[in-house]
Amino acid sequence: AQSVTQLDSHVSVSEGTPVLLRCNYSSSYSPSLFWYVQHPNKGLQLLLKYTSAATLVKGINGFEAEFKKSETSFHLTKPSAHMSDAAEYFCVVSDLESNYQLIWGAGTKLIIKP
Amino acid sequence: DTAVSQTPKYLVTQMGNDKSIKCEQNLGHDTMYWYKQDSKKFLKIMFSYNNKELIINETVPNRFSPKSPDKAHLNLHINSLELGDSAVYFCASSQDRASGYNEQFFGPGTRLTVL
Repeated sequence: AQSVTQLDSHVSVSEGTPVLLRCNYSSSYSPSLFWYVQHPNKGLQLLLKYTSAATLVKGINGFEAEFKKSETSFHLTKPSAHMSDAAEYFCVVSDLESNYQLIWGAGTKLIIKP
Repeated sequence: DTAVSQTPKYLVTQMGNDKSIKCEQNLGHDTMYWYKQDSKKFLKIMFSYNNKELIINETVPNRFSPKSPDKAHLNLHINSLELGDSAVYFCASSQDRASGYNEQFFGPGTRLTVL
């Protein structure tokens, strides 16, 4: 069965330093993977998605993620954090087994220190 | 131009009441969804409709009844509201359901508070 594990419930970084949000997945099929962001009291916005093309995926706001099949990981990174990046981030997997339903991780809250 | 819209944005009501949340998408998508997000931010799918046909119906109390008058609209009616129904409800849409390439586009959410 598919599942998504976001390894950290909270990540705190200083403004201007790199961001790493970790995500591991399990899937028996070729998965599609997504990162969504939810700013406080806002809806969910797609940051980026992997769908079996290039393994390094670039998204909006300077974020990128790398699909590593051998490690079953899809970690989200950004070279330099900005105060506006403070939000909840969700890693999501979808595949044939789930009938392409989105399977959501529990979320990681990103805190940016000034 | 709002892609997926929900009304109302906030809903405060008493236990036992019946309420509805409306959702509309102007993206021309075939598939629409309702999710519930609890206080711990966990997102759980409730229903999905494809071209007005119910395709996903997760374990949700039958007090919740979705209705899709056309493929651009998916409304959620809740009978006999309970305290545990307090949550944020998100509507979403995608091009279709049969492909992992289609991301879902989300509405702004409806924060339901049951007193």
